Amino acid sequence: DQQVKQNSPSLSVQEGRISILNCDYTNSMFDYFLWYKKYPAEGPTFLISISSIKDKNEDGRFTVFLNKSAKHLSLHIVPSQPGDSAVYFCAASALSGGGADGLTFGKGTHLIIQP
Amino acid sequence: EAGVTQFPSHSVIEKGQTVTLRCDPISGHDNLYWYRRVMGKEIKFLLHFVKESKQDESGMPNNRFLAERTGGTYSTLKVQPAELEDSGVYFCASSQDTSGGSFFGPGTRLTVL
Repeated sequence: DQQVKQNSPSLSVQEGRISILNCDYTNSMFDYFLWYKKYPAEGPTFLISISSIKDKNEDGRFTVFLNKSAKHLSLHIVPSQPGDSAVYFCAASALSGGGADGLTFGKGTHLIIQP
Repeated sequence: EAGVTQFPSHSVIEKGQTVTLRCDPISGHDNLYWYRRVMGKEIKFLLHFVKESKQDESGMPNNRFLAERTGGTYSTLKVQPAELEDSGVYFCASSQDTSGGSFFGPGTRLTVL
């Protein structure tokens, strides 16, 4: 069973517009959430994270929102740029215990920024 | 500062053979993780070292997989004997502590024929 779900395999957005990537989770023990970006033939690169005690974290063009009651998080990229085209992975962990030490990943969403 | 490095970048072997993957974490990172991504599926956690000790190996698929981290520096992941379903990309990641994001290596693409 998948504990972290990214239901959109791909997303196409015009350059300059907002990109919104969504992620749902089922494990209520998760208390730390991360987004990773991956280019072909490279490993995932850490982008931004959020602790469950917060509902928003912002870093430049990237903002992550967390809705704990809905077990949902989203990554907003604004404005979208061509270099943002990549696969984005949502990941979660239970830092305070209750699960495996490592991250649990979603399947990823391929974001395509169109000129 | 050098990132996480993995060797080899690609490996093609036949079913039944043995393969050893190597990971060099970022210097000073006590935490080292192995992950695997099988085609079309999500990246899955395999195990976690803290220095030379296995902290959590709950994700290891079976006893054909053996991970070591002698001396608490680099780590190896041996698959013996390899099966077709072991094909995928094996990622290594490291971090100074467990409270933040890990730094991933570029991965080793393993193909078992």
